[in-house]
Amino acid sequence: EAGVAQSPRYKIIEKRQSVAFWCNPISGHATLYWYQQILGQGPKLLIQFQNNGVVDDSQLPKDRFSAERLKGVDSTLKIQPAKLEDSAVYLCASSLGRNDEQFFGPGTRLTVL
Amino acid sequence: LAKTTQPISMDSYEGQEVNITCSHNNIATNDYITWYQQFPSQGPRFIIQGYKTKVTNEVASLFIPADRKSSTLSLPRVSLSDTAVYYCLVGPYNQGGKLIFGQGTELSVKP
Repeated sequence: EAGVAQSPRYKIIEKRQSVAFWCNPISGHATLYWYQQILGQGPKLLIQFQNNGVVDDSQLPKDRFSAERLKGVDSTLKIQPAKLEDSAVYLCASSLGRNDEQFFGPGTRLTVL
Repeated sequence: LAKTTQPISMDSYEGQEVNITCSHNNIATNDYITWYQQFPSQGPRFIIQGYKTKVTNEVASLFIPADRKSSTLSLPRVSLSDTAVYYCLVGPYNQGGKLIFGQGTELSVKP
């Protein structure tokens, strides 16, 4: 069974530029999550989708971050404009339903210079 | 969700049993205890989950005392490949989808 796919794996940008990350969840998984993991810390949930609807985006910095899951399958997370403190690994995870085990992708490492 | 406290780091040698203890004094009646493992450059991976007493699977054992204010993840006979960060999470079953990770315990296994 294919796991959660993410691209790109690495991205380096300058501050004030924009960047987008892509995630393809495990087939059939209705719930999709985006996490931010800063070096030395545990992952922090940014946004949770149930199919194509947002369930929880309370920790998403909405002035610069946006995410969508238009067809209820793959998802994109965008940062515009990026700040130095956005340097982190962005992890995507998926689960069958909200109370089911989450499976994580390998993440995208973002460096903002 | 209950706050958890676990050691920042631990060292071990190959073949030893490793026990990582997590404190969660404010655990609620409907909270479960879940452990995740994260290797460098990978996302976290579910290891084990329990509610009380002892749970064992092919990877680890989870010991939970009667008062449930702490729990211990036991890794039998560790190898170099067990070097990773281990997170203890406390909350509703599978956290209701909202995983809240602490800082974790960085386990280093040496030859």
